[in-house]
Amino acid sequence: GNSVTQMEGPVTLSEEAFLTINCTYTATGYPSLFWYVQYPGEGLQLLLKATKADDKGSNKGFEATYRKETTSFHLEKGSVQVSDSAVYFCALSDRGFKTIFGAGTRLFVKA
Amino acid sequence: KAGVTQTPRYLIKTRGQQVTLSCSPISGHRSVSWYQQTPGQGLQFLFEYFSETQRNKGNFPGRFSGRQFSNSRSEMNVSTLELGDSALYLCASSPQGLYELDEQFFGPGTRLTVL
Repeated sequence: GNSVTQMEGPVTLSEEAFLTINCTYTATGYPSLFWYVQYPGEGLQLLLKATKADDKGSNKGFEATYRKETTSFHLEKGSVQVSDSAVYFCALSDRGFKTIFGAGTRLFVKA
Repeated sequence: KAGVTQTPRYLIKTRGQQVTLSCSPISGHRSVSWYQQTPGQGLQFLFEYFSETQRNKGNFPGRFSGRQFSNSRSEMNVSTLELGDSALYLCASSPQGLYELDEQFFGPGTRLTVL
């Protein structure tokens, strides 16, 4: 079945460091891919999305490119801030009326 | 536009009891999904409803059930509660949900504690 695998956390970075969170997926067909973020005590919110191969999603300085050849959707940010501390979820939607989430990666950013 | 609302936000129950959680989607959204979030298992899909019909369900026992009303509001019910049911239950809505390629809009969740 379809699945999402993302790097285990926690990831601890200093402010202004470069961030990469790896995500790979297994899916039949042509899923849409998403990154969601969850701040403490809140539900998830969409960070960015890509709906077809080679699409780049971007938002708030975060980027991810839909790579069909490597079945990956890695999340990157050039310079993280303390306010980026949260849990990040990679997800795919496979037209089966459900979204499949990765295990989540907790990010800590130190001032 | 108001976001997804979930009630109650916190709930404490004892083993063997049952519980009903409520979710009001964003106005105009017809698809509602439910997820269970625990530290050990992450986000697990429970079920999805569209126009009062359950279109998909995850691998949970029959103690977990749900329904959707004509106004798209949804409820989920857990009967005969077990300690392992303690979790954050998240509801999410999406605009059309026909192919479920839309992003989902999440509520803040209901924190259920089973003692």
